[in-house]
Amino acid sequence: AQKVTQAQTEISVVEKEDVTLDCVYETRDTTYYLFWYKQPPSGELVFLIRRNSFDEQNEISGRYSWNFQKSTSSFNFTITASQVVDSAVYFCALSEEKNAGNMLTFGGGTRLMVKP
Amino acid sequence: DVKVTQSSRYLVKRTGEKVFLECVQDMDHENMFWYRQDPGLGLRLIYFSYDVKMKEKGDIPEGYSVSREKKERFSLILESASTNQTSMYLCASIRNTEAFFGQGTRLTVV
Repeated sequence: AQKVTQAQTEISVVEKEDVTLDCVYETRDTTYYLFWYKQPPSGELVFLIRRNSFDEQNEISGRYSWNFQKSTSSFNFTITASQVVDSAVYFCALSEEKNAGNMLTFGGGTRLMVKP
Repeated sequence: DVKVTQSSRYLVKRTGEKVFLECVQDMDHENMFWYRQDPGLGLRLIYFSYDVKMKEKGDIPEGYSVSREKKERFSLILESASTNQTSMYLCASIRNTEAFFGQGTRLTVV
């Protein structure tokens, strides 16, 4: 069965600090997809990134970067020079190929608080 | 630009009431999902549907049912609301790994 673990329930940093959110997953499929979502106080989930299991290249998008390591089943998310607007709950999610990529299993979420 | 709409942002219901949570998507997607979000537990799948009149149980279906009479609408039903169903409910419409979520309904059962 697929499972996603986000061990950090809450992280508090001061603005401009770098912060890494951890995500560890379990799956028996060789083909799967990994995601990160942001949930600001407004409540709606905002898509940040999707990665398939065959693409282990790290990705950078502005202040955001993602480190995918199949050897450790991890897909960690780093925010560089954090800002107050980054305060939100962040979810890591997994979708297996056998579900045609149409069912998401979520981790427990990490609440990030960025203080000015 | 609205894609997935949930009928209510906040609801307060009494124990024992029958509660309907409505979700409508305008993307002609086959796959729709209902999740429940609780602190520390993330989003847990309640029910999903791959087509009209089809439904499948997710991880926590007890106390819930669903209805999918039209492709664009997926309803979550609490047959007899209980206080342990107080939670945030999120509807999603997904195609080819691309997911769109509604704004969520925060339900309080008193």
